[in-house]
Amino acid sequence: DTGVSQDPRHKITKRGQNVTFRCDPISEHNRLYWYRQTLGQGPEFLTYFQNEAQLEKSRLLSDRFSAERPKGSFSTLEIQRTEQGDSAMYLCASSLARGAGGWGNIQYFGAGTRLSVL
Amino acid sequence: DAKTTQPNSMESNEEEPVHLPCNHSTISGTDYIHWYRQLPSQGPEYVIHGLTSNVNNRMASLAIAEDRKSSTLILHRATLRDAAVYYCILRASGTYKYIFGTGTRLKVLA
Repeated sequence: DTGVSQDPRHKITKRGQNVTFRCDPISEHNRLYWYRQTLGQGPEFLTYFQNEAQLEKSRLLSDRFSAERPKGSFSTLEIQRTEQGDSAMYLCASSLARGAGGWGNIQYFGAGTRLSVL
Repeated sequence: DAKTTQPNSMESNEEEPVHLPCNHSTISGTDYIHWYRQLPSQGPEYVIHGLTSNVNNRMASLAIAEDRKSSTLILHRATLRDAAVYYCILRASGTYKYIFGTGTRLKVLA
């Protein structure tokens, strides 16, 4: 299967610890997104990469959050000094920029990493 | 900012058609309307998208109002596997930020 892969699927950590999540997009997809989803809510946009360039960040992405996409392939999302409020599902999605018709905006999502901060 | 409004929940009987509405009165002229669904413990899954004309694919149909301020996702024959949260989403104008909202939880009754 060549879908979007996220690792780990679950992460339990203590408050104050740093955590890092990895996302492997669909091969050749040049667009990559990170979202955060809390219980009963829809996904909230965090950040967007086009190839290796981080072109947009949400105000939700505080100084404790950082994302990278070296070489325009996989991406990592790091949360430093975790807080209980960071507990959520972190979703990654990728898409392939293409011609007209809105097809390039179709995002393929991974299954997410569920973070629990104790 | 782009915003969508959907009913929190809807119910349908199996094998019956389902019409899921979405209001998006702030949509700009060039933004596409996308619909995704999310099954339990999974990431969202693309369903359909459109700009102005009604659209059909193997999963569903999308009816877009003439003024583009609302749209309706149509599942022609609901099955138990269609039970999910359905989101209509827009991109915030001039950005790469997609707005999901809280979606509609569809319950399909056997």
